[in-house]
Amino acid sequence: SQTIHQWPATLVQPVGSPLSLECTVEGTSNPNLYWYRQAAGRGLQLLFYSVGIGQISSEVPQNLSASRPQDRQFILSSKKLLLSDSGFYLCAWGGGLTYEQYFGPGTRLTVT
Amino acid sequence: AQSVTQLGSHVSVSEGALVLLRCNYSSSVPPYLFWYVQYPNQGLQLLLKYTTGATLVKGINGFEAEFKKSETSFHLTKPSAHMSDAAEYFCAVSGNNFNKFYFGSGTKLNVKP
Repeated sequence: SQTIHQWPATLVQPVGSPLSLECTVEGTSNPNLYWYRQAAGRGLQLLFYSVGIGQISSEVPQNLSASRPQDRQFILSSKKLLLSDSGFYLCAWGGGLTYEQYFGPGTRLTVT
Repeated sequence: AQSVTQLGSHVSVSEGALVLLRCNYSSSVPPYLFWYVQYPNQGLQLLLKYTTGATLVKGINGFEAEFKKSETSFHLTKPSAHMSDAAEYFCAVSGNNFNKFYFGSGTKLNVKP
């Protein structure tokens, strides 16, 4: 069966510090991968998605970037965090021929 | 273009009462539709999906939804609410290449004892 992991689960970072969130998927190959953000009291905002290694589509211009160095690894990064980057970050796989998306447990990021 | 509208950001029902969460979509192609549930500080869990075929789809935890093309709706129902149903629910429609999902803004369901 397929499993999706995210780490860390929680993170508190000062403004201006770098960020790296990691997502890995097990039990499937060549998945579509997604990064979403939920700000407090708001819905899901699609940040990036990838249909293959090195292929990244950015949905919203922002302070973040994404990379897919391996087939089942998706990384969300920032060089300098802003207060507005605080939120709950969700990684997902699926879509495409899989139709539905499956979500990881999420990372709670607080920028102070 | 695809989009989803969820009417009511908060819905409150009594335990044992009918749950009805509304979702209307806009899609330029035959839609694939989904309902997800999110408990606090957790990821989203798929409740049910409509792709093709039967328009009434059943999901986990006693939930079901009916695809009504004429009304562009995909409302989520459950005959009898349970306290454990208290969560946030998201409706989503997939894009025309199925690579992107368009989520509604979510509905928080509160279940009163």
